Amino acid sequence: KAGVTQTPRYLIKTRGQQVTLSCSPISGHRSVSWYQQTPGQGLQFLFEYFSETQRNKGNFPGRFSGRQFSNSRSEMNVSTLELGDSALYLCASSLSRKPDYGYTFGSGTRLTVV
Amino acid sequence: AQSVAQPEDQVNVAEGNPLTVKCTYSVSGNPYLFWYVQYPNRGLQFLLKYITGDNLVKGSYGFEAEFNKSQTSFHLKKPSALVSDSALYFCAVRVNSLSYNTDKLIFGTGTRLQVFP
Repeated sequence: KAGVTQTPRYLIKTRGQQVTLSCSPISGHRSVSWYQQTPGQGLQFLFEYFSETQRNKGNFPGRFSGRQFSNSRSEMNVSTLELGDSALYLCASSLSRKPDYGYTFGSGTRLTVV
Repeated sequence: AQSVAQPEDQVNVAEGNPLTVKCTYSVSGNPYLFWYVQYPNRGLQFLLKYITGDNLVKGSYGFEAEFNKSQTSFHLKKPSALVSDSALYFCAVRVNSLSYNTDKLIFGTGTRLQVFP
């Protein structure tokens, strides 16, 4: 079956612009989470969505937002981009919020802010 | 606070030799532990997990991990390393508290494994 699909794979944006990243989870998975990966900070939790509701959010400014649609697809948006937002953004999906279910990650979107 | 530590930034090992990548954790309650591997310009691939049961967990590509509750460790091991195992390895703990509406992974800083021919 198809894995977690993230689009686009690469993005170059200018400081001050906004960007929207997309994630299609594995069919049947209802939980979608987003992580930011940078060389300096490592992997940081952004937010988690389940049944179209944001269930929890990491320690990121309000410029970072997201949503989940009825088909479980998710988007994350970053407004007023800063150079420090350059990162690999990873989406992960899970069948359930039960801890014995693992997460499957997508290949990520590499965002470069210039 | 709940956390994961990977004390080694890099591990070097010769092909054919056993490898160990270390991970220690600090959580309240039962630990749900995971290992992921990341190849260049790719996402994270699941290797194995410990939820409950046997302390020795077997995973993908010949990897295994040993859960040690007294030492709060979850070290990744492989009896015979391959050059193709060279990658970045992440240990993670799943923090799951439905009462606090929390469900997320906390990752270690990663360990780069280099296997030399």
